[in-house]
Parts: sequence; C-alpha cells; structure tokens
Amino acid sequence: DVKVTQSSRYLVKRTGEKVFLECVQDMDHENMFWYRQDPGLGLRLIYFSYDVKMKEKGDIPEGYSVSREKKERFSLILESASTNQTSMYLCASSLNLPTDTQYFGPGTRLTVL
Amino acid sequence: GIQVEQSPPDLILQEGANSTLRCNFSDSVNNLQWFHQNPWGQLINLFYIPSGTKQNGRLSATTVATERYSLLYISSSQTTDSGVYFCAVVSAGNNRKLIWGLGTSLAVNP
Repeated sequence: DVKVTQSSRYLVKRTGEKVFLECVQDMDHENMFWYRQDPGLGLRLIYFSYDVKMKEKGDIPEGYSVSREKKERFSLILESASTNQTSMYLCASSLNLPTDTQYFGPGTRLTVL
Repeated sequence: GIQVEQSPPDLILQEGANSTLRCNFSDSVNNLQWFHQNPWGQLINLFYIPSGTKQNGRLSATTVATERYSLLYISSSQTTDSGVYFCAVVSAGNNRKLIWGLGTSLAVNP
C-alpha cells in the first residue's frame, strides 16, 4: 500500500514566522502535490512537482514555495505566515502522470495567529 | 476552464438506505476520479473511472463521458460512509492537473 505521511497533524504558528510542512511518500511516485482545503472552497492546488527539483505552479501559489530535493520528499514553505494561510494542507502523490490516481496524506491543520 | 458541479451538496441518510451522488462537468474529460474524505480528513481514492461502470463492494460508479456526468452509488449505507465525496476530472484540454468539485457532504445516521 502507498503511504504518504505529513510531518505534523496540527501546527500553530505566529504571523510572520517561516513555516515548513513536510511530506514523504514511500512508493517511488514521480509526482507530488500540495493542496489547501477551506470550507466552501474545496481542494485547491498550490504547487506540484513532477520530478526531483522540478515544480509547477498550481492555482494559488502566492505566498508559498516548495522544495523537492529527493524523490520521496516534498516540502511546502510559507516564507512569512499570515492569518489567511490558516487552513488544512493536504499532500498527495501519484505514480507516473500528475493525473494518475492520487494518494493523500492525513493532512496538516495549520493555524496562524 | 472546465467546471465541475456536484449534487446534492449535503445529504443525510438512515443506515441501510441507498443513495446516488452526481458529478456534472462542462467539457470533455480524459479521466475522472471519485474520492472519499472521512470525518478526520483522510482522503481516499474510490474509483478511477473515465468511462463505463465499476463496482467495489457496496459502492459503484458510472461515468457517461459523452453526456458529461458521473454517478456514485452507495448501497446499504453504513455510518462509516459518512464524510465528503469529491469528484475530480482531467480536462481533455489540460491534462496536467485534476479539477475538483466542491463535494457532497454525507451523514449516515444509525
């Protein structure tokens, strides 16, 4: 079974802090994704990566950056956290194509005070 | 871009009842996936179904791509079916990402 893990289940940060969210997958998947989920807005794609050190902007990349130095690990970085980045963050991976079946981690609920 | 609409937005069932969830999309798609998000936030892929019908236990899905809709059937519902069901499609015009519907929130009462 594919396993996608995220570094924290819950996280509380202060405005202006630099925040790192980590995601690891154990099935040698090519593609990894970061989404945020907000009530009434569904899932919105922030960034995805289709190979090591390769990335592509999603629908809402502003205020975020990503890093993929190793195939199994994909990091989401909030350079200077703001209260409007309070949300549920979901990481996913897929095998070959970005649009193959996606496997999700358990999510990180981030609160920015 | 392509629009994905799910209905109903909310649904309440008694345990044992059957239900049908619908996903309409506004343009041609290359694939379609159904997901379930449990009350604790975990998303699981249920079906990868660009066309035709698939069944997995009490759940089945049918996609009629030519008419731009997909249906998810839940039979003999159980409380563990509660959560949000999402439909996500890949547009024929842009195959780089999934386009997500807003989901159907299902509550199954004992």
